[in-house]
Amino acid sequence: DVKVTQSSRYLVKRTGEKVFLECVQDMDHENMFWYRQDPGLGLRLIYFSYDVKMKEKGDIPEGYSVSREKKERFSLILESASTNQTSMYLCASSFGTGNYGYTFGSGTRLTVV
Amino acid sequence: AQSVTQPDIHITVSEGASLELRCNYSYGATPYLFWYVQSPGQGLQLLLKYFSGDTLVQGIKGFEAEFKRSQSSFNLRKPSVHWSDAAEYFCAAKNSGYSTLTFGKGTMLLVSP
Repeated sequence: DVKVTQSSRYLVKRTGEKVFLECVQDMDHENMFWYRQDPGLGLRLIYFSYDVKMKEKGDIPEGYSVSREKKERFSLILESASTNQTSMYLCASSFGTGNYGYTFGSGTRLTVV
Repeated sequence: AQSVTQPDIHITVSEGASLELRCNYSYGATPYLFWYVQSPGQGLQLLLKYFSGDTLVQGIKGFEAEFKRSQSSFNLRKPSVHWSDAAEYFCAAKNSGYSTLTFGKGTMLLVSP
């Protein structure tokens, strides 16, 4: 089975901290994605990457950055965490641009206090 | 703009009863279509997908979905719901040649005894 592993299930961070969320996939997928999920708002795309060192902004990139130095790893960085970034963060990966769906990780619930 | 709409935020179904969750899309051409399920505190799991051919597609856990081009719909069905089906369900779509999925806001399914 394809696995997408997010390093933490729960995180509590202080306002102003730099936060790293890590995601690793083991199926050689080209694409990797970061979403945040909030009640009533569904899933919103933060950033995605279609190749190593390549990244594209999604719908809500403000306050976030990403890094993809290796094909299997995609990191989401909160440069200076704020309370409005408290959310569930979901990482996903997929093959190319065909009729492939995503494989999701289990999510990281981040609380910023 | 491309969009995916799930008209029902919550649905309650009695155990053993049939289920239909609605999904409508707005795309220029017929997109690839997906249904995902999310159990509490977990990531999303792919139930089924449609990209061409037979308009009735079978998925995992006894689910099926029917694509209707004339109605721009891709509704999810199950003949007999089990208590373990209680979860949130997401419809998603993407165009051929693109990597990113657009998600609906989800429908929460509650199963009553």
